[in-house]
Amino acid sequence: SQQGEEDPQALSIQEGENATMNCSYKTSINNLQWYRQNSGRGLVHLILIRSNEREKHSGRLRVTLDTSKKSSSLLITASRAADTASYFCATALPYNQGGKLIFGQGTELSVKP
Amino acid sequence: NAGVTQTPKFRVLKTGQSMTLLCAQDMNHEYMYWYRQDPGMGLRLIHYSVGEGTTAKGEVPDGYNVSRLKKQNFLLGLESAAPSQTSVYFCASSPVVRNEQFFGPGTRLTVL
Repeated sequence: SQQGEEDPQALSIQEGENATMNCSYKTSINNLQWYRQNSGRGLVHLILIRSNEREKHSGRLRVTLDTSKKSSSLLITASRAADTASYFCATALPYNQGGKLIFGQGTELSVKP
Repeated sequence: NAGVTQTPKFRVLKTGQSMTLLCAQDMNHEYMYWYRQDPGMGLRLIHYSVGEGTTAKGEVPDGYNVSRLKKQNFLLGLESAAPSQTSVYFCASSPVVRNEQFFGPGTRLTVL
């Protein structure tokens, strides 16, 4: 099964509400990244959190990482209709495991105006 | 800068036909990747390259070949297309391994 598993698979909220997405993984990681994909487009990098960090902010985004539970969450505050997209977590394996990114299956977020 | 570009954007093949997908990046990145995206499966790594002239297998390499003759280009080949290769293919590049990857717009391939 996939290294990263995301929850929920789909989320529908009203504009102005907060959206929280969760990602769980199985093995040790170097860092964890979140990407956004608008329909029919490529992925766009949002934020990277290293394994020795617990929380990181970027604008309306807040990411937490709990390496003891092997989980991360992405919080989007004050959501907008333009935030409607699929969101993927990606775990970066340590260099001795190839250093590759392993993507989760994604959370489909719908923000209704 | 154009970033990462992919050619073509769409393609329909018949079973057994061959084709090459081209990825080009103008950011002087060392690392390049080919992924496929299928519904409910997320992105899966097909092949990747850590520099000009080098390639390596990813998670799902069977039925695909790659070449990186120039640093800026990464080619993905299908020698004998199968319906199971119907997918959206994404190319990505990165200046440093394990860091942010920059993605192309994707190629939607249908194999009949």
